[in-house]
Amino acid sequence: QKEVEQDPGPLSVPEGAIVSLNCTYSNSAFQYFMWYRQYSRKGPELLMYTYSSGNKEDGRFTAQVDKSSKYISLFIRDSQPSDSATYLCAMSEGGYQKVTFGIGTKLQVIP
Amino acid sequence: EAQVTQNPRYLITVTGKKLTVTCSQNMNHEYMSWYRQDPGLGLRQIYYSMNVEVTDKGDVPEGYKVSRKEKRNFPLILESPSPNQTSLYFCASRWGGEQYFGPGTRLTVT
Repeated sequence: QKEVEQDPGPLSVPEGAIVSLNCTYSNSAFQYFMWYRQYSRKGPELLMYTYSSGNKEDGRFTAQVDKSSKYISLFIRDSQPSDSATYLCAMSEGGYQKVTFGIGTKLQVIP
Repeated sequence: EAQVTQNPRYLITVTGKKLTVTCSQNMNHEYMSWYRQDPGLGLRQIYYSMNVEVTDKGDVPEGYKVSRKEKRNFPLILESPSPNQTSLYFCASRWGGEQYFGPGTRLTVT
């Protein structure tokens, strides 16, 4: 079993939809939970991160962490065609520890 | 501008010919790392460094070496590249939950 599981998709949604992206994990010691967006042929770009548990909102993006269920989510409101990319979750036990990524979910937002 | 740079961006080489991919960051981060990205396997960490002269293995360290002699630089060394090291490589630097990636180096080993 992988330490971090993420559905690779692809996920297709109409413009304006609310998108829900998720990851599950098995390591209860993870404390940092990160979401990245990666466009084709580019490096991953940090969207947001949370430390420990709870929610965090930044514009159209909301990240949620449920440590009891070992489940994290990223919500994208009012999705735009420019949101079409691969979304990667990543986790780490600490600021100086190894980072483990999910395989990434490919999202397509259709105009 | 805060950034991570890598060179070269593209490299085609032959089996067994030693190569080095350079990485530099200007954010004064203590933590730096190298990843490879392969279709169907995602991003996997090769090595990471918590500070100067302190490094540790990630998930796929075999066939790679690193060194951290200065805080800003973290080169990746392939002493005897093999075709299974053909991949897209990313360097990254990190402070807590904020990790920033370089633009990537596409390596082909024939």
